[in-house]
Amino acid sequence: KAGVTQTPRYLIKTRGQQVTLSCSPISGHRSVSWYQQTPGQGLQFLFEYFSETQRNKGNFPGRFSGRQFSNSRSEMNVSTLELGDSALYLCASSLGTAYSEQYFGPGTRLTVT
Amino acid sequence: AQTVTQSQPEMSVQEAETVTLSCTYDTSESDYYLFWYKQPPSRQMILVIRQEAYKQQNATENRFSVNFQKAAKSFSLKISDSQLGDAAMYFCAYRRPRGSTLGRLYFGRGTQLTVWP
Repeated sequence: KAGVTQTPRYLIKTRGQQVTLSCSPISGHRSVSWYQQTPGQGLQFLFEYFSETQRNKGNFPGRFSGRQFSNSRSEMNVSTLELGDSALYLCASSLGTAYSEQYFGPGTRLTVT
Repeated sequence: AQTVTQSQPEMSVQEAETVTLSCTYDTSESDYYLFWYKQPPSRQMILVIRQEAYKQQNATENRFSVNFQKAAKSFSLKISDSQLGDAAMYFCAYRRPRGSTLGRLYFGRGTQLTVWP
């Protein structure tokens, strides 16, 4: 089975711009979670989508949004980028059930200048 | 909110030796999952081992084993016969098995493990 893929792998944006990151889960997985990883804050949960519905959301401003498509692929969008949004964004996929494990993608490294 | 604490920001071990990474967590629930993830320089997060809270037996995966002390809310990872490829950041994580937050992992701040030849 192919693993979790994230595109793009690297991205450089300017303050004020917006960005869209994509995550393709493992085939058959219905849940996609997003995490932001920074040296200062560590790994922080952004949101989780299950069967096209947002099931849980972390404490991030409304500039961070996401969605999930019928094929379980997910996108997250960050509008009006700030310098502090520079981070590694990780997505994880799972079956979405109580006992299912989460498998992570390689991440998208976003740099905001 | 659940909190996961890793009190050792850095650890080092000689190749072939054994090292133990510590993790404590705070929860009022009786049923949950605990995980150790490894993140090498490639940044790919890899699941090392998992433990279900209802199981008294400590999980083992080859050279990796845990010491799960439920009453003490402690979950340490022991790496035996350390190899150079074990060098990575190790994260302890907690997850609920049900409810709207079952898809969310709560991570500690990580322990950077260095393996010396």
